[in-house]
Amino acid sequence: ETGVTQSPTHLIKTRGQQVTLRCSSQSGHNTVSWYQQALGQGPQFIFQYYREEENGRGNFPPRFSGLQFPNYSSELNVNALELDDSALYLCASSLPGTVNTEAFFGQGTRLTVV
Amino acid sequence: GENVGLHLPTLSVQEGDNSIINCAYSNSASDYFIWYKQESGKGPQFIIDIRSNMDKRQGQRVTVLLNKTVKHLSLQIAATQPGDSAVYFCAETPYGGSQGNLIFGKGTKLSVKP
Repeated sequence: ETGVTQSPTHLIKTRGQQVTLRCSSQSGHNTVSWYQQALGQGPQFIFQYYREEENGRGNFPPRFSGLQFPNYSSELNVNALELDDSALYLCASSLPGTVNTEAFFGQGTRLTVV
Repeated sequence: GENVGLHLPTLSVQEGDNSIINCAYSNSASDYFIWYKQESGKGPQFIIDIRSNMDKRQGQRVTVLLNKTVKHLSLQIAATQPGDSAVYFCAETPYGGSQGNLIFGKGTKLSVKP
């Protein structure tokens, strides 16, 4: 176990709805990254939060947004859900810096948009 | 854009044999590489990493080789066991790890036959 927990584990939403996914980082880790993993693909970087601010973003539209709280936990919000948003959403926590950026992943939230 | 890719999408080996999983990367700015193992229904699990100032690193039953000349990364698993069956991803950090975002390849599925 990595100590990174995500909730919920599974979720079904209707197209056009909004969803919030949650992540608790590993103890001591103040950096949280979110990834989207489509079926049969590698994870794709959505964005990263460090000290409650966005610190890098991948090629995702603005309807993907996030938050990080003082306890370093994080939320991923997706508005106006589309069918292609169906994927496994992974949260990873890490320590900042250039020496060691080993990221510890949670088990993911499986989102299905119908 | 530049990304990480894999040569073989599937690999089947006999229990006890050695496994070699390959990965090509194209981003010359990348200086940190990681191999992850992902079992069904779980998030990626860190296996081993290597920095660009090294060409080989060994762990327990695993070895990562980095050839910067041809931008090639490989993961060698010695005495492969059924528990090694999973999808393996290589990932790179293109910014020296300062942002922590990882670029993943598509993955290789390793199947171990008893």
